[in-house]
Amino acid sequence: DGGITQSPKYLFRKEGQNVTLSCEQNLNHDAMYWYRQDPGQGLRLIYYSQIVNDFQKGDIAEGYSVSREKKESFPLTVTSAQKNPTAFYLCASSTTPAGGTTDTQYFGPGTRLTVL
Amino acid sequence: KQEVTQIPAALSVPEGENLVLNCSFTDSAIYNLQWFRQDPGKGLTSLLLIQSSQREQTSGRLNASLDKSSGRSTLYIAASQPGDSATYLCAVKGGTYKYIFGTGTRLKVLA
Repeated sequence: DGGITQSPKYLFRKEGQNVTLSCEQNLNHDAMYWYRQDPGQGLRLIYYSQIVNDFQKGDIAEGYSVSREKKESFPLTVTSAQKNPTAFYLCASSTTPAGGTTDTQYFGPGTRLTVL
Repeated sequence: KQEVTQIPAALSVPEGENLVLNCSFTDSAIYNLQWFRQDPGKGLTSLLLIQSSQREQTSGRLNASLDKSSGRSTLYIAASQPGDSATYLCAVKGGTYKYIFGTGTRLKVLA
């Protein structure tokens, strides 16, 4: 059953804590992405990775970090430097790393992070 | 800088109506445009992808069109059903690895 899994579904963070959100895909996709979604706003790109051991900052990377040690996995760490982390976080992957016209983004079910 | 706008932000229609959702973008230099559906608290599900060289794509009761020169795309839903109730988002892909998303149209189909 191919797809993208994210865990946990709900996550609570205390002030000053770092937390890590998991994203795993078995679609054999090269490119993976992390987005943040806030009410009334479109998705905003945090980080993306075109290939293992390489990743690029998106529009709102401050306070976040990622790693890409395996093709299947792209975990996101929300650090204490992120001052307003309460949001819905979505992981995605796509088929073509180069700027193709046919690549479709596939999304995981999301993780809702709340700061206590 | 590419901006994507979706109007209206919310829409309620009676069951059985045909409806059109709109998406506009400011930079016509796109690789493709994708329409997604999002149910409350869930991830996004891809509905249709239109490549920059295409004018429209169809899947079942859904038809999406693309007019790059005017920076517009429409998603047409025929014979709407209560199960179509969701938020619909469009996203354009420019010359990088990034998709730029609109804020979505929240659709409610009344039984």
